[in-house]
Amino acid sequence: NAGVTQTPKFRVLKTGQSMTLLCAQDMNHEYMYWYRQDPGMGLRLIHYSVGEGTTAKGEVPDGYNVSRLKKQNFLLGLESAAPSQTSVYFCASSELLWGGTEAFFGQGTRLTVV
Amino acid sequence: AQSVTQLGSHVSVSEGALVLLRCNYSSSVPPYLFWYVQYPNQGLQLLLKYTSAATLVKGINGFEAEFKKSETSFHLTKPSAHMSDAAEYFCAVSLHGGANNLFFGTGTRLTVIP
Repeated sequence: NAGVTQTPKFRVLKTGQSMTLLCAQDMNHEYMYWYRQDPGMGLRLIHYSVGEGTTAKGEVPDGYNVSRLKKQNFLLGLESAAPSQTSVYFCASSELLWGGTEAFFGQGTRLTVV
Repeated sequence: AQSVTQLGSHVSVSEGALVLLRCNYSSSVPPYLFWYVQYPNQGLQLLLKYTSAATLVKGINGFEAEFKKSETSFHLTKPSAHMSDAAEYFCAVSLHGGANNLFFGTGTRLTVIP
């Protein structure tokens, strides 16, 4: 019962470096999401995907890119990391995109950009 | 635009006491409403949700919430707090009920005092 798995769990980057966060889900969900969580701000949607090969922007997409080459995987990329991207990143997936569907979350990736 | 306001970033209760976490929403139409819980070093987990069926919603671990349209509220309650309830709780609102349209509150950290 893995659910949603994120790698890595922790990472420290220097300003300007790049990295990719990997999200994998084993529930055969069509929809996947990347959120960031910052102190005092709750979670905010970065990008999401409605299916293999499709992505869309969320509330705070600037500075990030995503790809969904396989249905079970959703990658979040930072091309040139900035201190403002220091955050905890959560991946989630859901079966549906409407009707109060439950989102299943991974354990998060704590990213620090110095 | 949709939004939620959670009153009180920190709430402390004694073990066995009533838990009351407040959430008020803003939405132009009847929304979907959610409560998620985040235990330390874990992702978010759905506690309960309102999808316009019944106004009193029962969730996991003995929690429940009541949708009050006149007060635009969706407060979370539990009659008797347990030590294992210590966590951060997030209220969220969505117009269409999908996780790509989910707006989170800033969270309430619940501490349970033995």
